[in-house]
Amino acid sequence: AQKVTQAQTEISVVEKEDVTLDCVYETRDTTYYLFWYKQPPSGELVFLIRRNSFDEQNEISGRYSWNFQKSTSSFNFTITASQVVDSAVYFCALSEGINAGNNRKLIWGLGTSLAVNP
Amino acid sequence: KAGVTQTPRYLIKTRGQQVTLSCSPISGHRSVSWYQQTPGQGLQFLFEYFSETQRNKGNFPGRFSGRQFSNSRSEMNVSTLELGDSALYLCASSPWIGDNQPQHFGDGTRLSIL
Repeated sequence: AQKVTQAQTEISVVEKEDVTLDCVYETRDTTYYLFWYKQPPSGELVFLIRRNSFDEQNEISGRYSWNFQKSTSSFNFTITASQVVDSAVYFCALSEGINAGNNRKLIWGLGTSLAVNP
Repeated sequence: KAGVTQTPRYLIKTRGQQVTLSCSPISGHRSVSWYQQTPGQGLQFLFEYFSETQRNKGNFPGRFSGRQFSNSRSEMNVSTLELGDSALYLCASSPWIGDNQPQHFGDGTRLSIL
C-alpha cells in the first residue's frame, strides 16, 4: 500500500541552523512523483518541489535542497541557514501513475512542524 | 493573477445539517481537487474534477459529493454532518489533469460541527 511517513512531528531550531526534514515513502509502482509542500500559519499550502521516480538527482534551490534516494525510499528536505520565515508545517506527498486522469490521488505525510526561533 | 479562492473561510454547523463549500480555481485552470485536513488524519484526498467530470475519488462516504461547473468553479457538499467532519477543507487547482502537475491551493474553509 502507498504510504508516506514523516517521522518528525515537530522540530525546533535556532535561526541560522541547518535542518533536515525526513520523508520515507512506500509504493509498489515504479512510476511515481514525490512532492514537498509548505503550509505557513496562514493555512495555504505552497508547492516547493516535484520529483519523478526516474530522476534521482539532488536539487538545490537557494537555501533549500532535496535528497532523493530510491534505495532507501526517502526524499529528505534540508533548509540551510534557517530563518524565522521558514516556520511552517512541511508536507511530503506521493502521487502514483502518470496517465491522464489518474494522477491526482496524492498520499500525504502527516507533516513536520518546524519552528525557527530567533 | 488571482489565486485559488475558497468561500466561506469559516463555517459553523450542527450535526445533521448539510453544507456547501465553494472553490474558484486560478483563471485558466481546469482541474480542481478537494482535500480534508484534520490534526489526526492529516491531509486526505476527497475527489478531483476536470471538465465537469469527477476523475478521481478518495475513500470518503457518499455523504461527501462535489461538482464542477463549465467555468471550472467547483462546489463540495457534505450532507448529514457528523462531528468528525470538523476539518479544514482545501481546494487545489492545476491547469489540466495530466502529468502530476503541482497544485495551487486556496486558504481553505474551516468547518466546525457543534
